[in-house]
Amino acid sequence: QKEVEQNSGPLSVPEGAIASLNCTYSDRVSQSFFWYRQYSGKSPELIMSIYSNGDKEDGRFTAQLNKASQYVSLLIRDSQPSDSATYLCAVIRNNNDMRFGAGTRLTVKP
Amino acid sequence: GAGVSQSPSNKVTEKGKDVELRCDPISGHTALYWYRQSLGQGLEFLIYFQGNSAPDKSGLPSDRFSAERTGGSVSTLTIQRTQQEDSAVYLCASSVAGTLGNEQFFGPGTRLTVL
Repeated sequence: QKEVEQNSGPLSVPEGAIASLNCTYSDRVSQSFFWYRQYSGKSPELIMSIYSNGDKEDGRFTAQLNKASQYVSLLIRDSQPSDSATYLCAVIRNNNDMRFGAGTRLTVKP
Repeated sequence: GAGVSQSPSNKVTEKGKDVELRCDPISGHTALYWYRQSLGQGLEFLIYFQGNSAPDKSGLPSDRFSAERTGGSVSTLTIQRTQQEDSAVYLCASSVAGTLGNEQFFGPGTRLTVL
């Protein structure tokens, strides 16, 4: 079992719709969770972090964490074509040991 | 302040040659990570440093790969006897140790092409 699993996609949504990205992780002691966005040919950049169970909202982005189910998700409301990118889920297991999922490619169609 | 820098930005080498990739983390960041990303693929963890020590080297693909970090700052990733399958973008990231956040900041990467 991979440490961090994501559906590779591609996920395609129309402009203005909600995009839902999912991630599961295997290590129960994981403490911190992150979503990174990576545009083609660019380095990943952090868009959301979440540490506690529940929802965390930042603009059009909402991260959701359920530690009991070892599940973290990212919702993008009012999706825009500029949101088209690969979204990487990352998990810190202990100390600074961060592991990434393979990423989900999102396409927002105008 | 300056972000993570990597050099060279591009490297083309012949099969069998050795290459050395360099990463300069953000000043004060004690944790440093190396990843490899092949075209259209996710991030493959290679190694991470806490200060000058590497608690986890499990991601290094073979004994041709090695990395070191000196002075708690600059790190070099060395690939000996390069093979064509080593062609990828090599990304370095750094983070502040000891905080809950531990956001990783990525460098621009080194694109390695082995002919």
